[in-house]
Amino acid sequence: QVQLQESGQGLVKPSQTLSLTCTVSGGSISSGSYYWSWIRQPAGKGLEWIGRIFTSGSTNYNPSLKSRVTISVDTSKNQFSLKLSSVTAADTALYYCARYYYGSSGYPLDYWGQGTLVTVSS
Amino acid sequence: DIQMTQSPSSLSASVGDRVTITCRASQSISNYLNWYQQKPGKAPKLLIYAASSLQSGVPSRFSGSGSGTDFTLTISSLQPEDFAIYYCQQSYSMPLTFGGGTKVEIK
Repeated sequence: QVQLQESGQGLVKPSQTLSLTCTVSGGSISSGSYYWSWIRQPAGKGLEWIGRIFTSGSTNYNPSLKSRVTISVDTSKNQFSLKLSSVTAADTALYYCARYYYGSSGYPLDYWGQGTLVTVSS
Repeated sequence: DIQMTQSPSSLSASVGDRVTITCRASQSISNYLNWYQQKPGKAPKLLIYAASSLQSGVPSRFSGSGSGTDFTLTISSLQPEDFAIYYCQQSYSMPLTFGGGTKVEIK
């Protein structure tokens, strides 16, 4: 059973860079037809897709965040990471990592981490 | 970006009711439509993928239909554990986008 677990800073100061890591267990991050994604959810609001990475390093980002986002992967540690620069209070949210399964019709996000809360405040 | 519009945004229903939630895409997305259930304090859980395929382990009272721009999620007989927020999501093109959610509450 694949499991994903987010970790990283819970509190970030405005204008600084948010850094999170997602550790994948129960399977190799490099095997299968998967991309690895980040999604966020402000309190009481809906879901916003941030971006995804393939283990080759190929990425896709949401244009709304593209200038500030970097997603990277470390296959040796079975991890992928998110960096979001120049954060403001609007970036305060619950951040999820998830597996994007392009080997299935519909290309769903089939496994999710439990989420980690990031607050931007001085 | 493809806009996903869900209706209603909330509904009240009783245990045993049949519930239908609608999702409309701003352009055709074929069957690249997935449905998720989110309970308070939990991550979204995949219910339906490719518009109508039931994810493993999901009860058969959940079903999905549709293609192109119009999709529905149906719960045939609402159970106490089904009170949650439901989201649709398209994977037809980047960026992936979600509907605004439908909150299913107890009447």
